[in-house]
Amino acid sequence: DTAVSQTPKYLVTQMGNDKSIKCEQNLGHDTMYWYKQDSKKFLKIMFSYNNKELIINETVPNRFSPKSPDKAHLNLHINSLELGDSAVYFCASRVRGAYEQYFGPGTRLTVT
Amino acid sequence: GQQVMQIPQYQHVQEGEDFTTYCNSSTTLSNIQWYKQRPGGHPVFLIQLVKSGEVKKQKRLTFQFGEAKKNSSLHITATQTTDVGTYFCAEQTGANNLFFGTGTRLTVIP
Repeated sequence: DTAVSQTPKYLVTQMGNDKSIKCEQNLGHDTMYWYKQDSKKFLKIMFSYNNKELIINETVPNRFSPKSPDKAHLNLHINSLELGDSAVYFCASRVRGAYEQYFGPGTRLTVT
Repeated sequence: GQQVMQIPQYQHVQEGEDFTTYCNSSTTLSNIQWYKQRPGGHPVFLIQLVKSGEVKKQKRLTFQFGEAKKNSSLHITATQTTDVGTYFCAEQTGANNLFFGTGTRLTVIP
């Protein structure tokens, strides 16, 4: 069973569209994250979220918003997509008290 | 935001040669984690170092945390083709966010 899963794996869309990426973890973790990896492979934290607190990286445009229907899910909504949003987006999770994060397989977003 | 620099950016080695990647910060790091990302894959946690001067080993991998806690290194002895990938160091902040280094992409030539 996949510990952290993301859908879709690939997403191709046009500029200006709104899209969502789903993330689910079956590890019972209480904190989830979204990261963006650009074409140069730089990995950057976007959000971290537990059921009490959302921490947003200040560089993330407000077109991006995480939504968590429950502890096992943290979805990423992106409004008015731009060319520069093209990247691989990784979801991750961590259990309280541990330090390692478990990453999902990634979603490759291409904005045309 | 904070950024940790890694060198080299790319490294090509012959199978069987050793490999080292270095992670450098201008500020003191509270901890350092290392992750490996295979081509087309996702980051996978390798280890965390917390103490000044700490050294940990995992089979052919040796991890070090500098005395001043401003740098770290990952050394692989006798590389194998399975070692191919990008190695990232990262600092976990008090808010439990990971700030990744710039990564070192390792290619192993059989």
